[in-house]
Amino acid sequence: DTGVSQDPRHKITKRGQNVTFRCDPISEHNRLYWYRQTLGQGPEFLTYFQNEAQLEKSRLLSDRFSAERPKGSFSTLEIQRTEQGDSAMYLCASSRTGVNTEAFFGQGTRLTVV
Amino acid sequence: GQQLNQSPQSMFIQEGEDVSMNCTSSSIFNTWLWYKQDPGEGPVLLIALYKAGELTSNGRLTAQFGITRKDSFLNISASIPSDVGIYFCAGQAGGTSYGKLTFGQGTILTVHP
Repeated sequence: DTGVSQDPRHKITKRGQNVTFRCDPISEHNRLYWYRQTLGQGPEFLTYFQNEAQLEKSRLLSDRFSAERPKGSFSTLEIQRTEQGDSAMYLCASSRTGVNTEAFFGQGTRLTVV
Repeated sequence: GQQLNQSPQSMFIQEGEDVSMNCTSSSIFNTWLWYKQDPGEGPVLLIALYKAGELTSNGRLTAQFGITRKDSFLNISASIPSDVGIYFCAGQAGGTSYGKLTFGQGTILTVHP
């Protein structure tokens, strides 16, 4: 399978705990994106990387959120001191660099904070 | 965050009927994309549009990039039960925002056999 892979698929955590999600993009894709999707809404942009450089962060990405892509391949998204409002589907996507590029999504990580 | 205006919010149709949904924005986009999402899964790309006025087909799906670059529509012909799901439009602006997508709220499609 050469698609975007996310791990875990589901995560249940207690409020206040830290969680980390992993995304493995399509191998030849330089760009990697994180989105968050709540029930009944479309995905909302959180941040994106070109290779290992984090080029843009949304205002949705509070100080408790941090994303890394240390070697320009896989990426991690960490949420510290989780809150119930963090419950959502976290989606990762990747694309090539260029003007007319198509972003391909992974299956997502469903986070439930109890 | 900003989202596109997608309509209708939901549709209930009989198998074999045609479906049309559209998306509008107050901003200009360089690319329009249409995705389908099944429950608990990530969005799957259906069609990508790169030029104003472009009309593109993918099997029973046809999509158009509006002339003003502020709208797009998706048509599904002769619907079948497996068309059930949530359809999202997404716009991609140019400049430093290459790749970053702004999504509509989705159209929930139900197809009755």
